Amino acid sequence: EIVLTQSPDTLSLSPGESATLSCRASQSMSGTYLAWYQKKPGQAPRLLMSGASTRATGIPDRVSGSGSGTDFTLTISRLEPEDFAVYYCQQYSRSSYTFGQGTTLEIK
Amino acid sequence: QVQLVQSGAEVKKPGSSVKVSCRASGGSFSSLAMSWVRQAPGQGLEWVGMIIPIFAPANYAQKFQGRVTITADEPTRTVYMELSSLRSEDTAVYFCARGGNYLPGPFDIWGQGTVVTVS
Repeated sequence: EIVLTQSPDTLSLSPGESATLSCRASQSMSGTYLAWYQKKPGQAPRLLMSGASTRATGIPDRVSGSGSGTDFTLTISRLEPEDFAVYYCQQYSRSSYTFGQGTTLEIK
Repeated sequence: QVQLVQSGAEVKKPGSSVKVSCRASGGSFSSLAMSWVRQAPGQGLEWVGMIIPIFAPANYAQKFQGRVTITADEPTRTVYMELSSLRSEDTAVYFCARGGNYLPGPFDIWGQGTVVTVS
C-alpha cells in the first residue's frame, strides 16, 4: 500500500502570498492516480486537482498541480481568504484509496 | 448531474452497529464507483471502502476488514455502509463520494456527511 506524507503540517501565510504544498509517496506511482482536495469545517471535501495537474471544474487557474514519481506539489498563487483550509492529497488504485495526513493552510 | 443525499445523524452505543445510506440521483447508478470516507474529530480523511454495484462485492480498507459492509440497492439507487462493533473511536462524520465510472477515480461528488456518535 502506498503511504502519502504531506509537508508541512501547517503553513502560515498572508493573503496575496503563494502557497506550496508537498505530497510524497512511499513508492513511485503514476500521477494519473493522484488527486488533491480542499476541506473546510462543516463542509464536504472539494476536489481541486486530478491526474496530479488537471484542475477540477470551477477551480481557478491560480491553483496548479505538478509532480511525478514520488513527489507531487500543489501550488496556490495570490492567496485569497477562502483558500485558508486543510488540503489533502490522495492516491488510488483499482481496489483502494489512501489520503495523506493533510496540510493546514492558515492565515498568518 | 449526480447528487448524493445521505441519511441523518446517528447516536449509537459501544458494541452496536450503524447503517448509513447514500442515495444517488441523476446519471447512471450501477457503474458508479461509490466510496465511504470518514473524518473523526480533529483528524484527517480516512477511506473506508468502496463498491461498484455492477461489479459487487465491495473493497475495504484493511483497517475495517471484518467490521464494515458496503452494499448497493439498484432499484432505490442507494449505497449503504454498515459498521459493527462500534467503539468511541468510530465517532466521526461519514461521507459517501463518487469516484469514477466502472473504475475507481477521484471523488468529484460528495454527500453532505452523516454524523455518527458512539457514546
